[in-house]
Parts: sequence; C-alpha cells; structure tokens
Amino acid sequence: EVQVVESGGGLVQPGGSLRLSCAASGFTFSSYAMSWVRQAAGKGLEWVSVISGTAGNTFYADSVKGRFTISRDNSKNTVSLLMNSLRAEDTAVYYCAKILSSDWYAGFDYWGQGSLVTVSS
Amino acid sequence: QSVLTQPPSASGTPGQGVPISCSGSSSNIENNYVYWYQQLPGTAPKLLIYKNNQRPSGVPDRFSGSKSGTSASLAISGLRSEDEADYYCAAWDDSLSGYVFGTGTKVTVL
Repeated sequence: EVQVVESGGGLVQPGGSLRLSCAASGFTFSSYAMSWVRQAAGKGLEWVSVISGTAGNTFYADSVKGRFTISRDNSKNTVSLLMNSLRAEDTAVYYCAKILSSDWYAGFDYWGQGSLVTVSS
Repeated sequence: QSVLTQPPSASGTPGQGVPISCSGSSSNIENNYVYWYQQLPGTAPKLLIYKNNQRPSGVPDRFSGSKSGTSASLAISGLRSEDEADYYCAAWDDSLSGYVFGTGTKVTVL
C-alpha cells in the first residue's frame, strides 16, 4: 500500500525557516518524482515544487522560488522542503504528493494527509 | 496563482448529471495531460482522472474526463450525496515550468 506521511509543520515567525519532511513507502521511491502542494485555509490548491526521481531536476512556483528548496534522499525514501524567509502568505496546509511516474510533469496520484505551517508573530 | 478557470459551483439532484469545465491555454491543457482531483471536506485531494480520461482503479465509472483544445471537462453522472466535494483540474504548464491548478468547483447535491 502506497503511503506518504508529512511531518515538521508548526508555528514560525515571519522571516524564519522551517523544514518539512515526507516519508514514503509502498513503492520503489527512486522511480517516481515527488512534489509539494499547499492549500491556504478556505482556498484552492497551489503547487509549490517538484523533484524528479533522481533529484536531477527540480522546479518551483514563482511564489517560492529562491526561498524554498526541495530535496530527496532515495536511501531513506524521504523528500524534504526547506522553507526560508517565510511570509504570512506561506501559511497553509502543505501536502506531499507522489507523481504518477518518473516524469515530473505526470500528475499526482497519492497525497499525504498534510502538515500545517503557520507563519505569524 | 490559478491559470486554469473553473466555475465556482455546480449542483444537481441525486441521479442527475453534472458537468465541470476547465479552461486553460496552449501552454498547459492543449499540450499536456489533464488531471482531476476530488477533495472531500477536511481531507486530502484524491486522484479522480489522469491523462485526460483515465480512471484509477476504484474510481466509479460515473466519473469521466475529456479534453478538446485548450479546455477539459469532468462529467459526473448519477450524482450521489457522497459526491459533494471540491473538484480541481490540473496540468503541467510548459511556459511556467510548473503545475497549474484550476480555481476549483464546489459540487452540491440538492
């Protein structure tokens, strides 16, 4: 059974940093791209970042480019999102999602339960 | 920022059919696959349709997807109370080098 489980969310002050982690199981992790998607309270889905299976390709939404870094450890079946220079508008539930294939543009098939990040003083 | 446009709401009585449109451009829908997601209240999104019109195992055949040019559609037939949810379309955007989601459609079963 495919599972993705996020951790690391919490309350952080504006300008601060936070690292989200996502543990995956039930599939050959290195063969699939992974992504982060966020959703502010009462709002729609917003894509954040994606990383290919080999970690050779990464892409970011303009709203987080230069502040967020996605990475993965295929030996531990984990993907991380390091978030720096956080702003109030980054407050959202962050979902980790598995991509349908090794191609980073192939769409998301499995989602985690989400991790809440709150940026506030 | 959503670049795929959906109607904010749709509704129907049990048993009826409900269409949901998703309008994009040549850089996303026209040249890439479209995906549809269902988000029940308080839960994570779930894949409903992939590669324009394919259903994952376990998704009822009441849900169907189609694409033509720069637009896509999700059709729900035989509406049921458990279909009350938010529905999102998504596609890769070649110009943005990233995914774009639709604005979301809230389906209400009357």
